[in-house]
Amino acid sequence: AQSVTQPDIHITVSEGASLELRCNYSYGATPYLFWYVQSPGQGLQLLLKYFSGDTLVQGIKGFEAEFKRSQSSFNLRKPSVHWSDAAEYFCAVGAPESRISGGGADGLTFGKGTHLIIQP
Amino acid sequence: DSGVTQTPKHLITATGQRVTLRCSPRSGDLSVYWYQQSLDQGLQFLIQYYNGEERAKGNILERFSAQQFPDLHSELNLSSLELGDSALYFCASSVGPESYEQYFGPGTRLTVT
Repeated sequence: AQSVTQPDIHITVSEGASLELRCNYSYGATPYLFWYVQSPGQGLQLLLKYFSGDTLVQGIKGFEAEFKRSQSSFNLRKPSVHWSDAAEYFCAVGAPESRISGGGADGLTFGKGTHLIIQP
Repeated sequence: DSGVTQTPKHLITATGQRVTLRCSPRSGDLSVYWYQQSLDQGLQFLIQYYNGEERAKGNILERFSAQQFPDLHSELNLSSLELGDSALYFCASSVGPESYEQYFGPGTRLTVT
C-alpha cells in the first residue's frame, strides 16, 4: 500500500520569501501525485497534479512541484509567498496499479499536512 | 468553488444516533468519493461510487454505509455514532471511475456529543 510523509507539521515564511514544502511517498511504481490546499473552514482545492511526463509541473496560484523519482519526492514550491497563501497543504498519492488491474480509481492517500504561516 | 455541494454544513448529534450526509457531484462527474478528516487520523478515504455502483472501499467502518442515486447524488449514512466519529466528512467527485483528479466539496462537520 502507498503512503505519504510530510515531514514538516508547521512552516513559517515571511511574506515575499520563497517556499518549499516537502513530500515523500512510498509506492512500488510511479504514482499519481497531487498537492491540495485547505483554507480554514474550506474544502480542499487542487493545486497541481503529476501523472507522467515532464517532472516539473505548474499549478494554480503560482505554485509548482517537482517529481524526483530517485528521492521519492514531490516537493511544492513558490518563489514568493503572499499572506493569502497561509493555509494547510496536503500532498496526496494515487495508485495507478489499482487502475491497471481494474480495481477502479481507489481513494487518494494523503499526508498529514503542513500548516503554512506567513509572517508580515 | 469546486462545484461539489454538501449538506448540511454542520451537524450536532448524540452518541448512538444515526445521521445522513448528502453530496452532489460536479456536473458531468460520475464518481463520488467520501473522506473523513479527523485530528488523529488525518484525511482517510472511506468509499467510492461510480455511476451508482460501489467501486472501491477504504477504511470505512461497518456502522457506516453509502449509496449513489440515479441522479448521481450520494449519501453517507453513519449509525450508532460514537464520540470518535466527530470529524469533517468530505465528498469529492471525478469524471470517470479511474480518474484521480478529484474535486472536493466544502465538507460537513459532524460533532457527536
